Amino acid sequence: QSVLTQPPSASGTPGQRVTISCSGSSSNIGSNTVNWYQQLPGTAPKLLIYSNNQRPSGVPDRFSGSKSGTSASLAISGLQSEDEADYYCAAWDDSLNGPLFGGGTKLTVL
Amino acid sequence: EVQLVESGGGLVQPGRSLRLSCAASGFTFDDYAMHWVRQAPGKGLEWVSGISWNSGSIGYADSVKGRFTISRDNAKNSLYLQMNSLRAEDTALYYCAKDIKGRIAVASYDHWGQGTLVTVSS
Repeated sequence: QSVLTQPPSASGTPGQRVTISCSGSSSNIGSNTVNWYQQLPGTAPKLLIYSNNQRPSGVPDRFSGSKSGTSASLAISGLQSEDEADYYCAAWDDSLNGPLFGGGTKLTVL
Repeated sequence: EVQLVESGGGLVQPGRSLRLSCAASGFTFDDYAMHWVRQAPGKGLEWVSGISWNSGSIGYADSVKGRFTISRDNAKNSLYLQMNSLRAEDTALYYCAKDIKGRIAVASYDHWGQGTLVTVSS
């Protein structure tokens, strides 16, 4: 079964660095690029990282992405209260012939 | 400014049909693939369907294949989703999303609408 696995929750204090993992397989992360989305409460998702580590214009460089093998990570440095949101990874899956989203990680800023 | 405005959602009985629309503006619509992504209440994101810039490539999630049909009208800068044989599990907020490329084989959506709510219930 093709799935992207994320931890359901993560937390950190202001100023800290947090990372969110996304684990997949050879049919998705292993052979395609990874994207990350931020969804603030009550709003539409926003593209945060595309092509593993590229930031769209306007996204602060506090956000960074990386990929290794069949896993990927989103790192947020200098954590701010406004970073409290749900974060989703996504990648095309060659077996499904469609994109997959991870289950999402709820980030809490303590 | 890129704008995506969905419409057509509402309350519908199981087994009935609904047609969603997405009006796009602020970019060259026929340069980009477009997608529908849904989010059930309190749940995560689920890709529903995507269509390439020229409608030459179309994809569906297994959960909607054979029931939903995506289409676009580049002359009207509009995206559509015809939903037939609706089920309770189709209840969700349906987002229209713009791809960063003309083809659908990536998962990079750089602009999203605010969504239209579809509720399937008797």
